[in-house]
Amino acid sequence: SQTIHQWPATLVQPVGSPLSLECTVEGTSNPNLYWYRQAAGRGLQLLFYSVGIGQISSEVPQNLSASRPQDRQFILSSKKLLLSDSGFYLCAWSVLRRVSGNTIYFGEGSWLTVV
Amino acid sequence: SQQGEEDPQALSIQEGENATMNCSYKTSINNLQWYRQNSGRGLVHLILIRSNEREKHSGRLRVTLDTSKKSSSLLITASRAADTASYFCAFSSYAGGTSYGKLTFGQGTILTVHP
Repeated sequence: SQTIHQWPATLVQPVGSPLSLECTVEGTSNPNLYWYRQAAGRGLQLLFYSVGIGQISSEVPQNLSASRPQDRQFILSSKKLLLSDSGFYLCAWSVLRRVSGNTIYFGEGSWLTVV
Repeated sequence: SQQGEEDPQALSIQEGENATMNCSYKTSINNLQWYRQNSGRGLVHLILIRSNEREKHSGRLRVTLDTSKKSSSLLITASRAADTASYFCAFSSYAGGTSYGKLTFGQGTILTVHP
């Protein structure tokens, strides 16, 4: 069965410090990978998605970047955090299929508080 | 904006009652999905309905889709306290000959079921 691991679960970082959130998927190959952000328990905003190693698409301009160094590894980074980067970050994966959309499977999320 | 809209934003009911949540969208879709999120956790997929389907059932869940009105509803019958969570609709738009599984999420409905 497929599993997704995301860490750390919680972190508090000072403004201006770097960030690295990691996500790995097991039990599947060549998944689509996603980073979402959720503010105040409301809707999800897609930040990045990747259809393959080294292929990253950014949905919104921001202070964050993403990388996919391996097939099942997705990393969210920042060189200098802003207060507005605080939020709940969710990694997710799906399997690419033609014709119809894909069900997305989420990790447990990472709470980031920038102070 | 392609974002989905859900109503009500919050719903409070007693155990045993039915809960209905609605979702509207603006684009043409190839499927619509519903997800559940317990407080502070990742999202869990509940059900997917394709654009050529009008109704779908899964246990106590019933989903309808009206593509002419660009709307969907999620009905939870005989609700339980354990159903307390946020519920999100998400839709996939057809993009040429393939879909990368990008989902657009609604803002969610917070459901509270009182024992």
